[in-house]
Amino acid sequence: ILNVEQSPQSLHVQEGDSTNFTCSFPSSNFYALHWYRWETAKSPEALFVMTLNGDEKKKGRISATLNTKEGYSYLYIKGSQPEDSATYLCAFWGSGSRLTFGEGTQLTVNP
Amino acid sequence: DSGVTQTPKHLITATGQRVTLRCSPRSGDLSVYWYQQSLDQGLQFLIHYYNGEERAKGNILERFSAQQFPDLHSELNLSSLELGDSALYFCASSGGRGEKLFFGSGTQLSVL
Repeated sequence: ILNVEQSPQSLHVQEGDSTNFTCSFPSSNFYALHWYRWETAKSPEALFVMTLNGDEKKKGRISATLNTKEGYSYLYIKGSQPEDSATYLCAFWGSGSRLTFGEGTQLTVNP
Repeated sequence: DSGVTQTPKHLITATGQRVTLRCSPRSGDLSVYWYQQSLDQGLQFLIHYYNGEERAKGNILERFSAQQFPDLHSELNLSSLELGDSALYFCASSGGRGEKLFFGSGTQLSVL
């Protein structure tokens, strides 16, 4: 059983705050690490696909880093806005043909 | 719009019944994945098909089966339904291994 763990489970921040979440995954048999954003009543949408140790990806105010040797990835949101409120999922792709998701971090940004 | 079509959006049925969920992947995608999201749980991987062949199987119950047809659409069959099978079932597609998944809008199954 693959363990993909995310922390914190939930987070409440004020508009304008910067925040970050953690995803930990097995450090062996790494192939790719994905981040998805899942808004209420919608479907998950991909933010980043990361494959190389040391990868850094950025999309607007959101960025992510990857450390495959120690098995963790960070997602950062700079200057959070209410529209950033969503559940952020990370997912691990190892040596097999499955993408295993973590439980997600639920972010609420208060105006 | 992700390009992945799932039908039906909602399904209400009784225990012991059998249902079929359908998924049409994004044009050009050969991989189809099925996930289950039960109350207070994350996305649980069920099964992955690539170009008609089963590639990986997760914690899928024996009462559940799936297939991918030559036109690449996929069906998830759930039989002898139990109350605990009530969940949101997602289909997703991708172009290949490691590539990002595009999710359908999901099928909300309620077993009464």
